[in-house]
Amino acid sequence: SYVLTQPPSVSVAPGQTARITCGGNNIGSKSVHWYQQKPGQAPVLVVYDDSDRPSGIPERFSGSNSGNTATLTISRVEAGDEADYYCQVWDSSSEVFGGGTKLTVL
Amino acid sequence: QVQLVQSGAEVKKPGASVKVSCKASGYTFTSYDINWVRQATGQGLEWMGWMNPNSGNTGYAQKFQGRVTMTRNTSISTAYMELSSLRSEDTAVYYCARGAGSSGFDYWGQGTLVTVSS
Repeated sequence: SYVLTQPPSVSVAPGQTARITCGGNNIGSKSVHWYQQKPGQAPVLVVYDDSDRPSGIPERFSGSNSGNTATLTISRVEAGDEADYYCQVWDSSSEVFGGGTKLTVL
Repeated sequence: QVQLVQSGAEVKKPGASVKVSCKASGYTFTSYDINWVRQATGQGLEWMGWMNPNSGNTGYAQKFQGRVTMTRNTSISTAYMELSSLRSEDTAVYYCARGAGSSGFDYWGQGTLVTVSS
């Protein structure tokens, strides 16, 4: 089965840029979605189809995907961005989620 | 506005079954797939399967084949997920989520806590 690998944690100071990676075999050929989940809440879609943003998601959130790595980039990080982030792809008739990355805002 | 409202928390004994509902509003229920995702405490997201509310077609993750059944009642815009032969490892929050084709899961229910305990 397809495996998505994310770093368990990423830390960044307010105002800086956070980059969260999602590794998978030839992931660049797939459509990657990203979710933000805060404690006690349901996930929220922040980037879909590699780099598109749903309405209401700040422009600070962006995505890219190439080769074996997809990346979620959060610019000008704010305290409110502290959350768990998950990547997702569709592979072989199944949805697959990465293990999640905890973003800590220092 | 689009909403998915799930049924309340459940406590079940090992070996029992649980059926969670997900009532959709604010859009045409039959136009989007419903997916089910679960999350054990402190763990990541785990996809369970999808259902097309229009046709009733389903697709289940291999891990849950034979134990999960996804159905719907289009007259009340409600999807259901039933999981049988429950064990302690099935204790988790279960979410329904609207599938927007190749655009990810754009709306989620609030989650339903299912606790399996003797």
